[in-house]
Amino acid sequence: QQQVRQSPQSLTVWEGETAILNCSYENSAFDYFPWYQQFPGEGPALLIAIRSVSDKKEDGGFTIFFNKREKNLSLHIKDSQPGDSATYFCAASATNTGGLSGKLTFGEGTQVTVIS
Amino acid sequence: EAAVTQSPRSKVAVTGGKVTLSCHQTNNHDYMYWYRQDTGHGLRLIHYSYVADSTEKGDIPDGYKASRPSQENFSLILELASLSQTAVYFCASRNLGDQDTQYFGPGTRLLVL
Repeated sequence: QQQVRQSPQSLTVWEGETAILNCSYENSAFDYFPWYQQFPGEGPALLIAIRSVSDKKEDGGFTIFFNKREKNLSLHIKDSQPGDSATYFCAASATNTGGLSGKLTFGEGTQVTVIS
Repeated sequence: EAAVTQSPRSKVAVTGGKVTLSCHQTNNHDYMYWYRQDTGHGLRLIHYSYVADSTEKGDIPDGYKASRPSQENFSLILELASLSQTAVYFCASRNLGDQDTQYFGPGTRLLVL
């Protein structure tokens, strides 16, 4: 059972465009949603994260929009550059369930290609 | 800068053989995790640990064991490697109280033949 789903599987945008990556989840207990960026041959690295008490988080050219009622969120990459070409993973964690494990549930990833 | 290293970076193993993947962190972090990455599945948690000499099962622990002999080191053991365990394996660490960031190693590419 895939608790975190991402779409599209792959996305190609022109340099300067805004790339939009979508993520949805099933578990209402999830309250922390990090996005990880992964380049080929490397491990994932935290890009930006949001908690369920917020509906928007910005960091540089990256923005998360969060809809708790609909259980979905999106990552917008503004003014995309070739260096943003990578795989992006949406993840989720339930931080208020009493445990401290920090367990993350990952989506399948979206491969983004920015062409110039 | 957080540092997580993994060894080996790649390995070819035979079906039924024993495989040990190693992870070392210099972050002084409490938590360590082992994930596997398969195309189309993202990353899935195998085992994790929050203190030395103790490990916990993740979401897909079958066929894997883990060992945390010290705070810095965390190993993943495949006692009887199978074809289905061909994947890329990532180790990560996180500090207790820091809900935000897991720091990942560069990964180990395992091919079981």
